[in-house]
Amino acid sequence: DGGITQSPKYLFRKEGQNVTLSCEQNLNHDAMYWYRQDPGQGLRLIYYSQIVNDFQKGDIAEGYSVSREKKESFPLTVTSAQKNPTAFYLCASSIGPWNRGRLGNQPQHFGDGTRLSIL
Amino acid sequence: SQQGEEDPQALSIQEGENATMNCSYKTSINNLQWYRQNSGRGLVHLILIRSNEREKHSGRLRVTLDTSKKSSSLLITASRAADTASYFCATDRGGYSSASKIIFGSGTRLSIRP
Repeated sequence: DGGITQSPKYLFRKEGQNVTLSCEQNLNHDAMYWYRQDPGQGLRLIYYSQIVNDFQKGDIAEGYSVSREKKESFPLTVTSAQKNPTAFYLCASSIGPWNRGRLGNQPQHFGDGTRLSIL
Repeated sequence: SQQGEEDPQALSIQEGENATMNCSYKTSINNLQWYRQNSGRGLVHLILIRSNEREKHSGRLRVTLDTSKKSSSLLITASRAADTASYFCATDRGGYSSASKIIFGSGTRLSIRP
């Protein structure tokens, strides 16, 4: 079955430590996204990538870093510079907005999230 | 910055009743999407409506879009306990240059009472 896999489901970070959240998709999607969700809130975009070896900052990129070396993978590193990392992190993917003449953003497929807490 | 805002923030109805949620946005869009999120899970895409469409149906879901009022509504008919979830609208900012990013509202928490 095609889908998106996020791991781990729960992650604990010690002060001063960088941690990496994994996101893998087998949907052959070009675009991938990372969102942060705080309790009772909507999603805020951290980073997104439209194609391999390219990514763009979202609305809250400070304290985070990403890479996109393979189409299937878009890992997110929460660095020690992110002072309030406790949140639910969601990864998503979609076909590109330009594929086959489509205009505008296409439906996003989400993983089941990683819940990050501070020790 | 928020593009879409849902109303109400929370809604509790009896099983079998209809549930209506609204979304307002600020700038022109190419399309608007609705998603559902069960507690502790990822979002699931429900329906996409394009800016040149006024109404769309999918099973028990009905979505309307009024671009003159910059608003959309999601109607769930004959609600079931399994419909208990948070519902989010998501919009892009229109045009070619801003595609690939969509903005989520803060959601409506729907509870279905047995």
